[in-house]
Amino acid sequence: DAKTTQPPSMDCAEGRAANLPCNHSTISGNEYVYWYRQIHSQGPQYIIHGLKNNETNEMASLIITEDRKSSTLILPHATLRDTAVYYCIVRVVWNAGNMLTFGGGTRLMVKP
Amino acid sequence: EAQVTQNPRYLITVTGKKLTVTCSQNMNHEYMSWYRQDPGLGLRQIYYSMNVEVTDKGDVPEGYKVSRKEKRNFPLILESPSPNQTSLYFCASRPQGGYGYTFGSGTRLTVV
Repeated sequence: DAKTTQPPSMDCAEGRAANLPCNHSTISGNEYVYWYRQIHSQGPQYIIHGLKNNETNEMASLIITEDRKSSTLILPHATLRDTAVYYCIVRVVWNAGNMLTFGGGTRLMVKP
Repeated sequence: EAQVTQNPRYLITVTGKKLTVTCSQNMNHEYMSWYRQDPGLGLRQIYYSMNVEVTDKGDVPEGYKVSRKEKRNFPLILESPSPNQTSLYFCASRPQGGYGYTFGSGTRLTVV
């Protein structure tokens, strides 16, 4: 699976959009970009995934650059409950190891 | 409610005393996994299962056993726990054709 690079921490004001970047310059053609978050020692929560098109669901939007070497997770109106560690993961959907490799992630602090 | 249920949530035990952490999912998912999370090391996969009676090692399987006799259950067994197995454990599942994993709430294990 391709390696990802994320900033270790970010702040965001409540009600504003949170834009979390992720670099994955070695991504290969059959690898998807996934985002999960973990709120203080709870189980990680799946947010969104994409291959090359931008994606949106009820939680967030995912913008993937045309060359697929980076992506941005957007929380359109961040709330205090969005304070968490956000993980960007790149992997083939059905790789033999069936493993999610979580890197360091970005600790997002949403402030009032 | 669709969920992955782990028990117990907290456990303190002594070195060498066999224990089992249970994991059950009510979503009819084929894939199930166990992870441990340690400060500075992120989440690491212990074992995974692609279906009933099909299990395989993850990144850190030493000292652990699993079984998958029924689709819904995937218990983690520590035959002779040691202090280096003190950790936060997560069980996760996903459907065979699906993308996002559903994680349990975690089991915090302390071995003294």
